Amino acid sequence: AQSVSQHNHHVILSEAASLELGCNYSYGGTVNLFWYVQYPGQHLQLLLKYFSGDPLVKGIKGFEAEFIKSKFSFNLRKPSVQWSDTAEYFCAVNARGGSYIPTFGRGTSLIVHP
Amino acid sequence: NAGVTQTPKFRVLKTGQSMTLLCAQDMNHEYMYWYRQDPGMGLRLIHYSVGEGTTAKGEVPDGYNVSRLKKQNFLLGLESAAPSQTSVYFCASSRSDLRAGYTFGSGTRLTVV
Repeated sequence: AQSVSQHNHHVILSEAASLELGCNYSYGGTVNLFWYVQYPGQHLQLLLKYFSGDPLVKGIKGFEAEFIKSKFSFNLRKPSVQWSDTAEYFCAVNARGGSYIPTFGRGTSLIVHP
Repeated sequence: NAGVTQTPKFRVLKTGQSMTLLCAQDMNHEYMYWYRQDPGMGLRLIHYSVGEGTTAKGEVPDGYNVSRLKKQNFLLGLESAAPSQTSVYFCASSRSDLRAGYTFGSGTRLTVV
């Protein structure tokens, strides 16, 4: 069974700082990878996803993520955060060709100070 | 473009009461899921369905039942609510190929007193 680990539980940044949120998964086969964002009081929204091809994936709102297969990682990055990026971020993985059930990480709470 | 609609948005139950949460999607998705979200626990899968008339248990199914009589609807039932079921419940749906990821509803905040 796959599992997902998000190492940073809480991150506090000032506006314009760079962001990198870690996501590691454990699964020996091929995976699909996702990052979701949950703004305060709202539902989860898809930021970006990786299925195959270029391991550097660009998503909405200036976010990007890089899939490094050898490290089982899919870290989320943004060069310059804004106050409006304050939210909870979830990494998710599902095993391709197997169950379509995604496994979510426990989430990282990001607070951006203006 | 409604996507995934959950009703109700808020509910307070007394211990032992029953209720049903409704999830409806208008995207013709094959798969539907029910999650609960608790602080520090992330999202935990309760039950899921891969098609009309089929359901399966997830990570935390105890105390819940589900039904999917129609492709567009996925119902989550609590037969005898307990305080431990106080949570925010999210429904999600997806295509079988997952190309669009998972689409979530806006959630139901349930408090059991």
